[in-house]
Amino acid sequence: GAVVSQHPSWVICKSGTSVKIECRSLDFQATTMFWYRQFPKQSLMLMATSNEGSKATYEQGVEKDKFLINHASLTLSTLTVTSAHPEDSSFYICSARSPQLNTEAFFGQGTRLTVV
Amino acid sequence: DAKTTQPTSMDCAEGRAANLPCNHSTISGNEYVYWYRQIHSQGPQYIIHGLKNNETNEMASLIITEDRKSSTLILPHATLRDTAVYYCIGRGPTGKLIFGQGTTLQVKP
Repeated sequence: GAVVSQHPSWVICKSGTSVKIECRSLDFQATTMFWYRQFPKQSLMLMATSNEGSKATYEQGVEKDKFLINHASLTLSTLTVTSAHPEDSSFYICSARSPQLNTEAFFGQGTRLTVV
Repeated sequence: DAKTTQPTSMDCAEGRAANLPCNHSTISGNEYVYWYRQIHSQGPQYIIHGLKNNETNEMASLIITEDRKSSTLILPHATLRDTAVYYCIGRGPTGKLIFGQGTTLQVKP
């Protein structure tokens, strides 16, 4: 299957700082990418949908000024957690989809964020 | 996007078939049924999807009822590495995959 890569796999940051997570589609062009967050023992929660070259669409309750999403190219989307707090500690996962690859979405391996 | 209902957990003996049910009674005519699984601390892995017809690939088979209100994922010969949380998702024209709580499948020796 297609490969979606996230970087970093894990990160520890201090409260008040910002953290950027990258999501890359390695062997296909992703017109749409999705960002999820997952807390321990819970399911994935969709945060936002990003389309290349346009503003992201955020799900209800997700602060767009806190979770900045950029999808500047067909192979790269970034999620920046701004002014991070301990409650932002979570597992962040991206997925990417391209019409050229049937209709399934492929997921990255996830990024474990710990805010101390 | 259709709401799906799955049992919270299931056990299966190694080497036997694992049959994971999913109810999606509100699914609309153009919504696909997708199955993903997530092994601990990893991103979800695509398994299979279908619209109306039964589907089979190298990983699993998907049986969709004629009224499309439910489906069953079949892992023909479960191994210990199939232990994971399995998610059944109805995906509509928005393209979003909205995850429910899934079924935790425990394959036992």
